[in-house]
Amino acid sequence: KNQVEQSPQSLIILEGKNCTLQCNYTVSPFSNLRWYKQDTGRGPVSLTIMTFSENTKSNGRYTATLDADTKQSSLHITASQLSDSASYICVVSLIQGAQKLVFGQGTRLTINP
Amino acid sequence: GAVVSQHPSRVICKSGTSVKIECRSLDFQATTMFWYRQFPKKSLMLMATSNEGSKATYEQGVEKDKFLINHASLTLSTLTVTSAHPEDSSFYICSARGLTEQYFGPGTRLTVT
Repeated sequence: KNQVEQSPQSLIILEGKNCTLQCNYTVSPFSNLRWYKQDTGRGPVSLTIMTFSENTKSNGRYTATLDADTKQSSLHITASQLSDSASYICVVSLIQGAQKLVFGQGTRLTINP
Repeated sequence: GAVVSQHPSRVICKSGTSVKIECRSLDFQATTMFWYRQFPKKSLMLMATSNEGSKATYEQGVEKDKFLINHASLTLSTLTVTSAHPEDSSFYICSARGLTEQYFGPGTRLTVT
């Protein structure tokens, strides 16, 4: 069964601190893995997208890693800001005729001043 | 980057009435658009895939006669919630597929009273 599991479910950290969010997947055949940020009441916004051959990709203070062998990905946020408070969703794309997205349940991140 | 808009951003309607939500790709043509539903603190759930000029493909458990989808042009898809009930209250998000990536709209908050 194609699944994407994220941990932790929620996380609270102080402003300025770093954090790492985890994503494990059992999706096959794998096309790419994406991390999205979703603010409350808004649609998801893409942070990074990685294909099978990419190990890491950065977007400002966000750095995503991918280990295709262990089927794990992480999203590292550096020097967190209050505006980083949001849900972060790991999404794996599989090739199944037409491309299909499998969503993780998200990690709710709260940055406290 | 590519932009997807939704209108309205929020709507309140009475039970038994119908509500139409529009999804537009503003700077690219999208042959395929997707409609998702999201419950509080949950991830996105795919409702249907809409292909321009043809009938939508609905996910298992989604009533096609209740959630009418029209994709009449390469930049516009509409979702009509017919005979709305309070349990239809939710956050509806559309997504449009570009050349290499899928872009999400900002979402529409539907409240049925």
